[in-house]
Amino acid sequence: EVQLVQSGAEVKKPGESLKISCQGSGYSFTTSWIGWLRQMPGKGLEYLGIIYPRDSDTKYSPSFQGQVTISADKSINTAYLQWSSLKASDTAIYYCARGLSLVRGGNFDSWGQGTLVTVS
Amino acid sequence: QSALTQPASVSGSPGQSITISCTGTSSDVGTYNLVSWYQHHPGKAPKFMIYETTKRPSGVSHRFSGSKSGNTASLTISGLQAEDEADYYCSSYAGSGTLVFGGGTKLTVL
Repeated sequence: EVQLVQSGAEVKKPGESLKISCQGSGYSFTTSWIGWLRQMPGKGLEYLGIIYPRDSDTKYSPSFQGQVTISADKSINTAYLQWSSLKASDTAIYYCARGLSLVRGGNFDSWGQGTLVTVS
Repeated sequence: QSALTQPASVSGSPGQSITISCTGTSSDVGTYNLVSWYQHHPGKAPKFMIYETTKRPSGVSHRFSGSKSGNTASLTISGLQAEDEADYYCSSYAGSGTLVFGGGTKLTVL
């Protein structure tokens, strides 16, 4: 069974750094993409970017380029989303999702449970 | 690139059919048959419903179907059921390894 397990909820202050994680299991972690999306309170899903763990090829949505960093450690089947200096506007639920093929449209077929990040 | 445009809300009665539109441009929806649709019940993980514009992943009900005309893709749900009430999002490949998402549509089952 494909599973993506995300790290737990975080409460941070503005200006602090943060790294959240997404660990995959039940499939070949290096031959699928991992995408990150967020849902701000009362808003819709927004796409942040995507990484291919085999070679760490990373693509960012233009809106989030420079705002977050996506990385992966294939040795432990884990992808990361990090901030160097959080803002209150980063408060959101962050989801990771397995992407079957970026050039076939992403195709996010399995999702993590979400990580709530509160910046206050 | 700009987000895809979806109606903020649609509604329908049980048993009816509804269609949710997703309008892009000639740089994304109009060029690529690579539109996906996701269903999101609040508090739960989103669910993959349609890929490559018209295909259904294994396990997704045949009541859900996708189509496209020009720069607009559509998700049609037939035989509407109470459990279909959710938020729906479209996404499209936009070339050069980029994806673009819609703002989401809230479906209300009356």
